[in-house]
Amino acid sequence: SQQGEEDPQALSIQEGENATMNCSYKTSINNLQWYRQNSGRGLVHLILIRSNEREKHSGRLRVTLDTSKKSSSLLITASRAADTASYFCATVLMDSNYQLIWGAGTKLIIKP
Amino acid sequence: DGGITQSPKYLFRKEGQNVTLSCEQNLNHDAMYWYRQDPGQGLRLIYYSQIVNDFQKGDIAEGYSVSREKKESFPLTVTSAQKNPTAFYLCASSMNWATDTQYFGPGTRLTVL
Repeated sequence: SQQGEEDPQALSIQEGENATMNCSYKTSINNLQWYRQNSGRGLVHLILIRSNEREKHSGRLRVTLDTSKKSSSLLITASRAADTASYFCATVLMDSNYQLIWGAGTKLIIKP
Repeated sequence: DGGITQSPKYLFRKEGQNVTLSCEQNLNHDAMYWYRQDPGQGLRLIYYSQIVNDFQKGDIAEGYSVSREKKESFPLTVTSAQKNPTAFYLCASSMNWATDTQYFGPGTRLTVL
Protein backbone atom coordinates (compact mmCIF):
# COMPACT_ATOMS: atom_id res chain seq x y z
CA SER A 1 0.00 0.00 0.00
CA GLN A 2 1.14 3.54 -0.66
CA GLN A 3 2.39 5.36 2.42
CA GLY A 4 3.31 8.73 0.99
CA GLU A 5 1.07 10.86 -1.16
CA GLU A 6 2.49 13.83 -3.00
CA ASP A 7 0.58 16.99 -3.71
CA PRO A 8 0.13 18.41 -6.28
CA GLN A 9 0.30 15.62 -8.86
CA ALA A 10 1.64 18.13 -11.38
CA LEU A 11 3.07 21.64 -11.11
CA SER A 12 4.05 24.06 -13.87
CA ILE A 13 5.89 27.29 -13.04
CA GLN A 14 8.07 29.90 -14.71
CA GLU A 15 11.84 29.68 -14.50
CA GLY A 16 13.10 31.64 -11.51
CA GLU A 17 10.00 31.01 -9.39
CA ASN A 18 9.96 28.80 -6.32
CA ALA A 19 8.36 25.36 -6.43
CA THR A 20 6.77 23.70 -3.42
CA MET A 21 5.72 20.06 -3.26
CA ASN A 22 4.09 18.31 -0.34
CA CYS A 23 4.10 14.75 0.94
CA SER A 24 1.68 13.30 3.47
CA TYR A 25 1.99 9.94 5.14
CA LYS A 26 -0.15 7.80 7.39
CA THR A 27 1.94 6.12 10.08
CA SER A 28 4.94 7.07 12.21
CA ILE A 29 8.20 7.19 10.34
CA ASN A 30 11.89 6.68 11.00
CA ASN A 31 12.84 9.05 8.19
CA LEU A 32 11.52 10.59 5.00
CA GLN A 33 13.49 10.94 1.77
CA TRP A 34 13.05 12.94 -1.41
CA TYR A 35 14.21 11.68 -4.81
CA ARG A 36 14.19 13.19 -8.30
CA GLN A 37 13.54 11.30 -11.53
CA ASN A 38 14.19 12.77 -14.95
CA SER A 39 11.95 11.38 -17.67
CA GLY A 40 12.71 7.75 -18.42
CA ARG A 41 15.70 7.64 -16.08
CA GLY A 42 16.64 6.28 -12.67
CA LEU A 43 16.02 8.12 -9.43
CA VAL A 44 18.52 10.38 -7.68
CA HIS A 45 18.53 10.88 -3.91
CA LEU A 46 18.08 14.53 -2.88
CA ILE A 47 17.60 14.82 0.88
CA LEU A 48 16.87 12.63 3.89
CA ILE A 49 15.19 14.07 6.97
CA ARG A 50 14.87 12.09 10.18
CA SER A 51 11.82 12.05 12.43
CA ASN A 52 13.58 14.19 15.07
CA GLU A 53 14.53 16.88 12.53
CA ARG A 54 12.30 19.71 11.38
CA GLU A 55 14.20 21.27 8.50
CA LYS A 56 17.13 20.50 6.22
CA HIS A 57 18.80 22.40 3.41
CA SER A 58 20.88 21.35 0.43
CA GLY A 59 21.78 24.06 -2.04
CA ARG A 60 18.50 25.39 -3.48
CA LEU A 61 16.50 22.65 -1.76
CA ARG A 62 14.74 23.03 1.57
CA VAL A 63 12.83 20.19 3.21
CA THR A 64 10.59 20.52 6.23
CA LEU A 65 8.98 17.80 8.30
CA ASP A 66 5.94 18.16 10.56
CA THR A 67 5.44 14.87 12.38
CA SER A 68 2.31 16.12 14.14
CA LYS A 69 0.65 16.64 10.75
CA LYS A 70 2.43 13.67 9.19
CA SER A 71 3.61 15.80 6.30
CA SER A 72 6.74 17.07 4.59
CA SER A 73 7.39 19.74 1.99
CA LEU A 74 10.14 20.16 -0.58
CA LEU A 75 10.92 23.72 -1.67
CA ILE A 76 13.06 24.39 -4.72
CA THR A 77 14.10 28.03 -4.86
CA ALA A 78 14.99 29.99 -8.01
CA SER A 79 13.90 27.13 -10.27
CA ARG A 80 15.78 26.29 -13.47
CA ALA A 81 14.77 24.41 -16.60
CA ALA A 82 17.00 21.54 -15.44
CA ASP A 83 14.74 21.10 -12.39
CA THR A 84 12.02 19.73 -14.68
CA ALA A 85 11.49 16.20 -13.36
CA SER A 86 9.25 14.07 -11.17
CA TYR A 87 9.84 14.28 -7.43
CA PHE A 88 9.07 11.40 -5.10
CA CYS A 89 8.91 11.13 -1.35
CA ALA A 90 9.69 7.82 0.32
CA THR A 91 9.27 6.91 3.95
CA VAL A 92 10.92 4.40 6.23
CA LEU A 93 8.32 3.35 8.76
CA MET A 94 9.07 3.36 12.48
CA ASP A 95 8.60 -0.36 12.93
CA SER A 96 9.51 -1.55 9.46
CA ASN A 97 12.46 -3.54 8.25
CA TYR A 98 13.84 -0.38 6.61
CA GLN A 99 11.84 -0.91 3.44
CA LEU A 100 11.18 2.34 1.60
CA ILE A 101 7.51 3.06 0.89
CA TRP A 102 7.04 5.34 -2.13
CA GLY A 103 4.51 7.97 -3.10
CA ALA A 104 3.23 8.46 -6.66
CA GLY A 105 5.27 11.62 -7.25
CA THR A 106 4.84 15.23 -8.33
CA LYS A 107 5.62 16.09 -11.93
CA LEU A 108 7.33 19.50 -12.05
CA ILE A 109 7.64 21.46 -15.29
CA ILE A 110 9.75 24.62 -15.41
CA LYS A 111 8.81 26.89 -18.29
CA PRO A 112 11.61 29.04 -19.76
CA ASP B 1 33.21 5.45 -12.70
CA GLY B 2 31.28 4.00 -9.77
CA GLY B 3 27.62 3.26 -10.20
CA ILE B 4 24.86 0.91 -11.18
CA THR B 5 24.29 -0.29 -14.70
CA GLN B 6 21.22 -1.95 -16.11
CA SER B 7 20.85 -3.63 -19.45
CA PRO B 8 19.23 -3.60 -21.83
CA LYS B 9 17.65 -0.13 -21.84
CA TYR B 10 14.68 -1.41 -23.86
CA LEU B 11 13.44 -4.98 -24.01
CA PHE B 12 10.63 -6.53 -26.01
CA ARG B 13 9.18 -9.88 -25.13
CA LYS B 14 6.59 -12.13 -26.65
CA GLU B 15 3.91 -13.50 -24.40
CA GLY B 16 4.96 -16.76 -22.77
CA GLN B 17 8.67 -15.98 -22.82
CA ASN B 18 10.94 -15.52 -19.84
CA VAL B 19 13.36 -12.60 -19.93
CA THR B 20 16.26 -11.63 -17.68
CA LEU B 21 17.15 -8.06 -16.80
CA SER B 22 20.72 -7.35 -15.80
CA CYS B 23 21.84 -5.19 -12.86
CA GLU B 24 25.48 -4.67 -11.93
CA GLN B 25 27.02 -2.36 -9.32
CA ASN B 26 30.63 -1.51 -8.53
CA LEU B 27 29.87 0.49 -5.39
CA ASN B 28 30.71 -2.44 -3.09
CA HIS B 29 27.17 -2.25 -1.67
CA ASP B 30 25.78 -5.19 0.25
CA ALA B 31 22.08 -4.52 -0.42
CA MET B 32 20.37 -4.53 -3.80
CA TYR B 33 16.74 -4.03 -4.85
CA TRP B 34 14.41 -4.43 -7.80
CA TYR B 35 11.47 -2.09 -8.24
CA ARG B 36 8.68 -1.89 -10.76
CA GLN B 37 7.32 1.50 -11.84
CA ASP B 38 4.01 1.94 -13.65
CA PRO B 39 2.72 5.26 -15.01
CA GLY B 40 1.34 7.55 -12.32
CA GLN B 41 2.40 5.25 -9.50
CA GLY B 42 5.22 5.08 -7.02
CA LEU B 43 7.84 2.38 -7.00
CA ARG B 44 6.84 -1.08 -5.85
CA LEU B 45 9.40 -3.49 -4.42
CA ILE B 46 9.73 -6.81 -6.24
CA TYR B 47 12.71 -8.45 -4.52
CA TYR B 48 15.58 -7.35 -2.35
CA SER B 49 18.87 -8.83 -1.23
CA GLN B 50 20.57 -7.79 1.98
CA ILE B 51 23.73 -9.74 1.29
CA VAL B 52 25.20 -12.08 -1.32
CA ASN B 53 23.53 -15.49 -1.57
CA ASP B 54 20.42 -14.19 0.18
CA PHE B 55 17.26 -12.54 -1.16
CA GLN B 56 13.72 -11.88 0.01
CA LYS B 57 10.36 -11.29 -1.66
CA GLY B 58 9.04 -7.76 -1.75
CA ASP B 59 5.45 -6.65 -2.17
CA ILE B 60 4.91 -7.90 -5.72
CA ALA B 61 7.23 -10.91 -6.19
CA GLU B 62 4.74 -13.17 -7.99
CA GLY B 63 5.90 -13.95 -11.52
CA TYR B 64 9.49 -12.81 -10.87
CA SER B 65 12.67 -14.54 -9.74
CA VAL B 66 16.15 -13.33 -8.76
CA SER B 67 19.58 -14.63 -7.84
CA ARG B 68 22.48 -13.09 -5.92
CA GLU B 69 25.51 -15.27 -6.57
CA LYS B 70 27.90 -12.33 -6.68
CA LYS B 71 27.96 -9.15 -4.64
CA GLU B 72 28.03 -7.02 -7.80
CA SER B 73 25.16 -8.67 -9.65
CA PHE B 74 21.42 -9.05 -9.02
CA PRO B 75 19.63 -10.21 -12.18
CA LEU B 76 15.84 -10.25 -12.36
CA THR B 77 13.93 -12.80 -14.43
CA VAL B 78 10.42 -11.90 -15.53
CA THR B 79 8.66 -15.22 -16.06
CA SER B 80 5.66 -16.08 -18.17
CA ALA B 81 3.69 -16.31 -14.92
CA GLN B 82 3.79 -12.51 -14.58
CA LYS B 83 0.40 -11.48 -15.95
CA ASN B 84 1.16 -7.84 -16.75
CA PRO B 85 4.92 -7.44 -17.17
CA THR B 86 4.99 -4.31 -19.31
CA ALA B 87 6.59 -1.69 -17.04
CA PHE B 88 9.75 0.24 -16.22
CA TYR B 89 12.11 -1.77 -14.00
CA LEU B 90 14.59 -0.08 -11.69
CA CYS B 91 17.48 -1.65 -9.85
CA ALA B 92 18.99 0.04 -6.79
CA SER B 93 21.65 -0.60 -4.19
CA SER B 94 22.61 0.72 -0.78
CA MET B 95 25.62 0.30 1.48
CA ASN B 96 23.64 -2.09 3.62
CA TRP B 97 20.00 -2.86 4.28
CA ALA B 98 19.73 -0.39 7.14
CA THR B 99 21.47 2.41 5.23
CA ASP B 100 19.03 4.95 4.10
CA THR B 101 20.20 6.22 0.72
CA GLN B 102 19.53 4.09 -2.32
CA TYR B 103 21.39 4.53 -5.59
CA PHE B 104 19.51 3.74 -8.76
CA GLY B 105 20.41 2.41 -12.18
CA PRO B 106 19.00 3.99 -15.37
CA GLY B 107 16.20 1.44 -15.69
CA THR B 108 14.97 -1.10 -18.26
CA ARG B 109 11.70 -0.58 -20.09
CA LEU B 110 10.07 -3.95 -20.79
CA THR B 111 7.29 -4.22 -23.34
CA VAL B 112 5.32 -7.41 -23.97
CA LEU B 113 4.19 -7.73 -27.57
